[in-house]
Amino acid sequence: EAAVTQSPRSKVAVTGGKVTLSCHQTNNHDYMYWYRQDTGHGLRLIHYSYVADSTEKGDIPDGYKASRPSQENFSLILELASLSQTAVYFCASSDRGRDTGQLYFGEGSKLTVL
Amino acid sequence: GDSVTQTEGLVTLTKGLPVMLNCTYQTTYSPFLFWYVQHLNEAPKLLLKSSTDNKRTEHQGFYATLHKSSSSFHLQKSSVQLSDSALYFCALSDRSSGSWQLIFGSGTQLTVMP
Repeated sequence: EAAVTQSPRSKVAVTGGKVTLSCHQTNNHDYMYWYRQDTGHGLRLIHYSYVADSTEKGDIPDGYKASRPSQENFSLILELASLSQTAVYFCASSDRGRDTGQLYFGEGSKLTVL
Repeated sequence: GDSVTQTEGLVTLTKGLPVMLNCTYQTTYSPFLFWYVQHLNEAPKLLLKSSTDNKRTEHQGFYATLHKSSSSFHLQKSSVQLSDSALYFCALSDRSSGSWQLIFGSGTQLTVMP
């Protein structure tokens, strides 16, 4: 079974503070993604990466940075957290190419910004 | 650009009835469509996928047929169960940025009543 683990699973942050969400995968997958989900809504892509030391912007990158120091690890960084960034964040990994299409998601990280 | 549309935000049904969740898409590439399911407080998981025109694909009692002529990939089940209550996402593989990613629809919340 593919494994993607996220930490922390839950975090409360103050407005203006720095938040780092970490993701680790043991699938040997090239692609990793960070999605944001707002209550009862869809998944929106923030950043993704298809190779270590390189990241790409997704649909909603503003206010977020990403880091891929190795194939296994992918972090999402909020330098100045804001109230509007309260959401559940999902990390996912996928094998190279479009034909599999199977994203393996982590359990999610619930972020509350006060 | 590429997009996915799910017209129903919320569907409520009685156990045993059939269901169809709508999904239409727009893409300039050869389409590869997916259905993901997310149960409460869990991560999304792949339910179905297809890139073959007019071929029905099935899994766990759910089925869908990709129709390129109408750009649709509707999800159906002949008799819903209480355990089918979940959030369902349609997704499209996208190469428009030059690398591979999934575009998700806004999701349909299915609630099955006793």
